[in-house]
Amino acid sequence: DAGVIQSPRHEVTEMGQEVTLRCKPISGHNSLFWYRQTMMRGLELLIYFNNNVPIDDSGMPEDRFSAKMPNASFSTLKIQPSEPRDSAVYFCASSRIRQGRNYGYTFGSGTRLTVV
Amino acid sequence: GENVEQHPSTLSVQEGDSAVIKCTYSDSASNYFPWYKQELGKGPQLIIDIRSNVGEKKDQRIAVTLNKTAKHFSLHITETQPEDSAVYFCAASQIVGSDSWGKFQFGAGTQVVVTP
Repeated sequence: DAGVIQSPRHEVTEMGQEVTLRCKPISGHNSLFWYRQTMMRGLELLIYFNNNVPIDDSGMPEDRFSAKMPNASFSTLKIQPSEPRDSAVYFCASSRIRQGRNYGYTFGSGTRLTVV
Repeated sequence: GENVEQHPSTLSVQEGDSAVIKCTYSDSASNYFPWYKQELGKGPQLIIDIRSNVGEKKDQRIAVTLNKTAKHFSLHITETQPEDSAVYFCAASQIVGSDSWGKFQFGAGTQVVVTP
């Protein structure tokens, strides 16, 4: 099992540019989560999907952020236009819930985003 | 929405001593309470979790207790070792029905330092 795969591992971009972060969840998992981690705000849940459907995007900071999950094996988090305050580590996580039990909630290794 | 408070923010213990981290939550509908360990440069890893129908759960040197009435839960690490040094996060969430997540919220994290 390759785990949750995120790409790129590091991204440096200039303010105003579009940034796309990618996530491949663990095969068979039916839920996917995007998080942002900063020193000031800790670990924040941005959005999560159940069975490819967005359930709660109340954590998305503003309209510059958007997330999609076109199929069960791929998700993207896009920031357009990017700003220096978006600099953070972005994590993707996936899990499988079956018959009311959680089987394996797993985080990826993260994407460290720096906007200059 | 759900609000999770975690204390203390930092915890220094001597190797071999016990460490206790406490969290409180606000939403009585939360029914799943995981704990994560994050080592430097890595994503959080699930170390133990508990459902609301259980009061205590143990896994070797780690235990979690839950008091639904008071809406608080705690992580206990016994016989601490230097490799236990990390940031620990608690979370409160809902498993809705048989295969979906509901609301989800993380605590601010506790930096645990185990000194030899």
